[in-house]
Amino acid sequence: SQTIHQWPATLVQPVGSPLSLECTVEGTSNPNLYWYRQAAGRGLQLLFYSVGIGQISSEVPQNLSASRPQDRQFILSSKKLLLSDSGFYLCAWSVPGRETDTQYFGPGTRLTVL
Amino acid sequence: AQSVAQPEDQVNVAEGNPLTVKCTYSVSGNPYLFWYVQYPNRGLQFLLKYITGDNLVKGSYGFEAEFNKSQTSFHLKKPSALVSDSALYFCAVSRLSGTYKYIFGTGTRLKVLA
Repeated sequence: SQTIHQWPATLVQPVGSPLSLECTVEGTSNPNLYWYRQAAGRGLQLLFYSVGIGQISSEVPQNLSASRPQDRQFILSSKKLLLSDSGFYLCAWSVPGRETDTQYFGPGTRLTVL
Repeated sequence: AQSVAQPEDQVNVAEGNPLTVKCTYSVSGNPYLFWYVQYPNRGLQFLLKYITGDNLVKGSYGFEAEFNKSQTSFHLKKPSALVSDSALYFCAVSRLSGTYKYIFGTGTRLKVLA
């Protein structure tokens, strides 16, 4: 069966510090991968998605970047965090080419920027 | 513009009573429709999806949803609510312009009262 991991689970960082959040998927090959941000416990905003190694699409211009160095690894980064980067970050995966396109989410990372 | 609406910010229902969480959509073509549930500080859990076929879809934990093409709705239902069903529920639509991306609704908080 497939599983998705995110770490760390929680993170408190000062403004201006760098960020690296990691997401890995087990039990599947060449998944589509997604990064979302959830602010104020409500709406989800798609930040990045990837259909393969090194292939990243950015949805919203911002202070963040994403990379996919390996097939099942997706990293969210920032060089200098802003207060507005605080939120709950969710990684998700789906199986490409399947008609259902169901996305499966990881447990999330709670980021607080002070 | 393509969109998903969850018109109720919060739904309160007594334990044992039927529950309905509403979702309407506005997209071109034939979308795939999904329901997810989120418990506090957790990732989203997939409940059910509509792709094609029978308009009544059954999912996890006794939930079901009815697809109504003429009303462009996909309401989530459960015949008898449990206190443990209290959570945040999201409706989502995919297959937008041939992509794998989702549009999420803003979420509905369900509170089941004992």
